[in-house]
Amino acid sequence: KAGVTQTPRYLIKTRGQQVTLSCSPISGHRSVSWYQQTPGQGLQFLFEYFSETQRNKGNFPGRFSGRQFSNSRSEMNVSTLELGDSALYLCASSLARGINYEQYFGPGTRLTVT
Amino acid sequence: TQLLEQSPQFLSIQEGENLTVYCNSSSVFSSLQWYRQEPGEGPVLLVTVVTGGEVKKLKRLTFQFGDARKDSSLHITAAQPGDTGLYLCAGGYNNNDMRFGAGTRLTVKP
Repeated sequence: KAGVTQTPRYLIKTRGQQVTLSCSPISGHRSVSWYQQTPGQGLQFLFEYFSETQRNKGNFPGRFSGRQFSNSRSEMNVSTLELGDSALYLCASSLARGINYEQYFGPGTRLTVT
Repeated sequence: TQLLEQSPQFLSIQEGENLTVYCNSSSVFSSLQWYRQEPGEGPVLLVTVVTGGEVKKLKRLTFQFGDARKDSSLHITAAQPGDTGLYLCAGGYNNNDMRFGAGTRLTVKP
């Protein structure tokens, strides 16, 4: 069974640009969550999608957005990139919503903003 | 401000030594999870604890959830180089919220 895949694995962008990251969950998993990981702040929750609807959102500005498609694949978009957006972006999938369902993480997309 | 504080932030020990890392919060959690993350990979779930005072063992790893469900510890016996990684705790509150600590970066030298 394939794991969670994220593309691209590495990305370099310039301040002011926008970026789209992609996540393909494990087959059959319907919930996808996104996290930002930085050395200083650790993993911070961005948002969660289930059945193509955003169900939960963390404390991030509106520049961060996402969506989920009917096949459960998800994308996140960051507009008007800032230097502080440099981070590892992780996506996690689970069978269903709720903390009782194990989350499986992808390897992440490392975004560098220059 | 981190909802979950992990300590120590960094730990470097020799193979064969024992160690304990901690995860503390002022909030009560309905469950607490421990993950290990290796370079270039996402976190992998090690254990979930849900009952105050619960102790779970996974080979050389022992996990404990505090009685008040506000803190947890992870103890590793006879550490090996393969234990090297970033150990993350994550607290669940409400039914769908999970918050992570910043992690303890463990290095076990052969």
